[in-house]
Amino acid sequence: GESVGLHLPTLSVQEGDNSIINCAYSNSASDYFIWYKQESGKGPQFIIDIRSNMDKRQGQRVTVLLNKTVKHLSLQIAATQPGDSAVYFCAEKVHSSASKIIFGSGTRLSIRP
Amino acid sequence: DTAVSQTPKYLVTQMGNDKSIKCEQNLGHDTMYWYKQDSKKFLKIMFSYNNKELIINETVPNRFSPKSPDKAHLNLHINSLELGDSAVYFCASSQDLTSGGITDTQYFGPGTRLTVL
Repeated sequence: GESVGLHLPTLSVQEGDNSIINCAYSNSASDYFIWYKQESGKGPQFIIDIRSNMDKRQGQRVTVLLNKTVKHLSLQIAATQPGDSAVYFCAEKVHSSASKIIFGSGTRLSIRP
Repeated sequence: DTAVSQTPKYLVTQMGNDKSIKCEQNLGHDTMYWYKQDSKKFLKIMFSYNNKELIINETVPNRFSPKSPDKAHLNLHINSLELGDSAVYFCASSQDLTSGGITDTQYFGPGTRLTVL
């Protein structure tokens, strides 16, 4: 399943399938990007990050892809599980400054059994 | 062992009252933050403190006053509460603020759901 982030805030995926959550960021000067997961009733939790000198980074079952040309970021979750149900936020920052992290509007991922 | 803790978890109060939310982190981090999350899940930074010094102060009404007695604590006091203040408030901390890497990773508390009636 695939979402377009800001334009499709809810993504429904069959359990076991791969999920792709997309995010368009706004600041061309941003060079550090983070994905957070927020489960119901909890605070956001760090998943994975990537710097602008990379275009791909892999973690456990998650991969982040960065396309600086079109200012696009995606989070791929392999073999989606019920525990992956949450709201996912991308966030951007200009490093080497005291600038704040800017959070995107979030995408809700729901898992169909 | 909670890394970032907030109290209270829920706060229901009348318009016009003054209330405080407390935050503590036991991670040894230098930087702490307050965020507001509205009903649409939009997460916006309000304040950031680094070693007890105010670094980021977004356009927040001056009814909101953060206080950092030491680098492990950042409390948020709100005067004259309004209906629009109803939201979930998150405290967060990070080791650093400017390195643009893993030490900037922010660890969030569980949130305080504020309801103003």
